[in-house]
This record gives sequence, C-alpha cells and structure tokens, in this order.
Amino acid sequence: NAGVTQTPKFQVLKTGQSMTLQCAQDMNHEYMSWYRQDPGMGLRLIHYSVGAGITDQGEVPNGYNVSRSTTEDFPLRLLSAAPSQTSVYFCASSSRGPEDEQFFGPGTRLTVL
Amino acid sequence: GIQVEQSPPDLILQEGANSTLRCNFSDSVNNLQWFHQNPWGQLINLFYIPSGTKQNGRLSATTVATERYSLLYISSSQTTDSGVYFCAVNSGGYQKVTFGTGTKLQVIP
Repeated sequence: NAGVTQTPKFQVLKTGQSMTLQCAQDMNHEYMSWYRQDPGMGLRLIHYSVGAGITDQGEVPNGYNVSRSTTEDFPLRLLSAAPSQTSVYFCASSSRGPEDEQFFGPGTRLTVL
Repeated sequence: GIQVEQSPPDLILQEGANSTLRCNFSDSVNNLQWFHQNPWGQLINLFYIPSGTKQNGRLSATTVATERYSLLYISSSQTTDSGVYFCAVNSGGYQKVTFGTGTKLQVIP
C-alpha cells in the first residue's frame, strides 16, 4: 500500500492564481481530511469528508473548496490564492471517522507571492 | 470545542537522557494519538492510545482518560528523536481531530 499520497510536494503561486492540491489513499478509508500547518502552530482542519459525495467545513474553510467523487481521492482547491494561504498542507485519512487512527500524507508546501 | 494543551512547549535533552511529555485535554475523548513531526516535516504515527499504556521500543505512552491526560515517555533519547511531538484527540460528537500546539524537542550529542 502506498498509504496517503499528496501532490505536488512544493508549489509557488502568485496572488489570484488557482490550483488544486491532490490527495489520494489506497486503504479504502471512508474519512478524509485536509489540514494546514502554519509556523509554530499545530494543525488546523480545513475540510473533511465522511465518504464519497459528502464533505463539510472544518475550522478554517474560507478560500478553499473540496469535493469527494470517489473513495480514494479528496482534492483541495484554491480558487484565488492569497498570501495568507502560504502554509504546509496535510491530507489525512482513517477507516471510518475521526475516532479512528489517522494516517497523514507527506504534505504540500505552498507559497503564495 | 475541546482544548488540548501540551507541555513543556520546548525541551532540550542531552543524548541518552529520558523525558516525559504531557498532553492535557478538556473533555472526554474517543481517540488520542501521538505524532512525531521530524525535521523534514513528516508526521509519523507513534501511538493510537485512547486509554491504557502502550510501548514501542524506547517510546511508551499512557492515557488516563478519566483524568484527561496522556503522557509520552522517551527513554535513552537519540538525536533522531528531535522534532515536534503532537497529541491529537477526537471528542464525542465532533467530526474532527483537534491538535495540541506541540512540544519541540531537541536532542544534542
């Protein structure tokens, strides 16, 4: 199993550009989530999904969209990037929900100029 | 929502020393995990421990759910133990995992 994979590893955007961060898992997990980590801080939840077709907002959803068309994939979209979105983004998955063991991807380091 | 506090925020150890990291949480939890974020930024699962005690090599963890805390023990520390240690919890009824702010550990030779 590859576990949780994320692409790209690094990305530089200009203010106003859009992009999609990819996340995939091959463990047949129902629950997937996106976090951002800013310097000196813990991880904060952006969006999560409890299964294909079902998504909901976390603590810091503004400026981000998600969709979950398949069990395996959970992309995160930035529609109009802002410097405040400069961060490291982590995707995670677990078997059924947040009560289960979470498995994290390697992260995407995003810089918005 | 649930509050998760970790202590100490920073810790410097001589190689070979032992340490205890603490995680306090403000409500009952369904799960508790300890992670190590290495200097390259990877989040590594250490323990999934909603209650009880687990050991893995030089590391062990204990969660006392009734008293709302968990401890991570690192024995005979090595330089590769350096990084940030996070605990993360899920509390009943909430569809999210809440992270503490971490303990930054530096092990010096």
